[in-house]
Amino acid sequence: EVQLQESGPGLVKPSQSLSLTCSVTGYSITSNYWGWIRKFPGNKMEWMGYISYSGSTSYNPSLKSRISITRDTSKNQFFLQLNSVTTEDTATYYCARSDTHWGQGVMVTVSS
Amino acid sequence: DIVLTQAPLSVSVTPGESASISCRSSKSLLSSKGITSLYWYLQRPGKSPQLLIYQMSNLASGVPDRFSSSGSETDFTLKISKVETEDVGVYYCGHRLEYPYTFGAGTKLELK
Repeated sequence: EVQLQESGPGLVKPSQSLSLTCSVTGYSITSNYWGWIRKFPGNKMEWMGYISYSGSTSYNPSLKSRISITRDTSKNQFFLQLNSVTTEDTATYYCARSDTHWGQGVMVTVSS
Repeated sequence: DIVLTQAPLSVSVTPGESASISCRSSKSLLSSKGITSLYWYLQRPGKSPQLLIYQMSNLASGVPDRFSSSGSETDFTLKISKVETEDVGVYYCGHRLEYPYTFGAGTKLELK
């Protein structure tokens, strides 16, 4: 069964970069689509972007200048980097395989 | 960006009764391939979002048939018949028609 697990720091300072890892077991990331979604305090959800089975990426234009999604196929992991964070990037970050399988999420707070 | 408007934002339901949630899209979600790209998700308290419905009316794997969805190109309804305790949470509609993918604001379902 496919499982996804996010990892990364829970606290990031403003203006720094947020870096998260999604470790996948039970399914190869060289198949399907792998994305990052975040949920802000309250209920708002935002699709951030994805990396495809071939390594191509698509990003939310609202983040395009700050976001990068990459992968390491040898470790079956994919990564999120979000640069120049502000307090408005405080959210729970989820990785997901298409829409069917989600990680448990990691809460990231941006604060000095 | 496509805007998805959900209503109501919260609903209180007696167990065993039915509940309906509306989702209205600012643009037709009918793709050139004849697929209506509307999805429904449930996020239970403390859990990751779970896919309930894909392509407007198809039940995701493992989802009980108490859940159903229908609609047109822009107006959609999720119906939950015989609401149970496990149905409590926040329901989101989302689309996958074009980038960026977007979500509705969420509808919180609680029990009376």
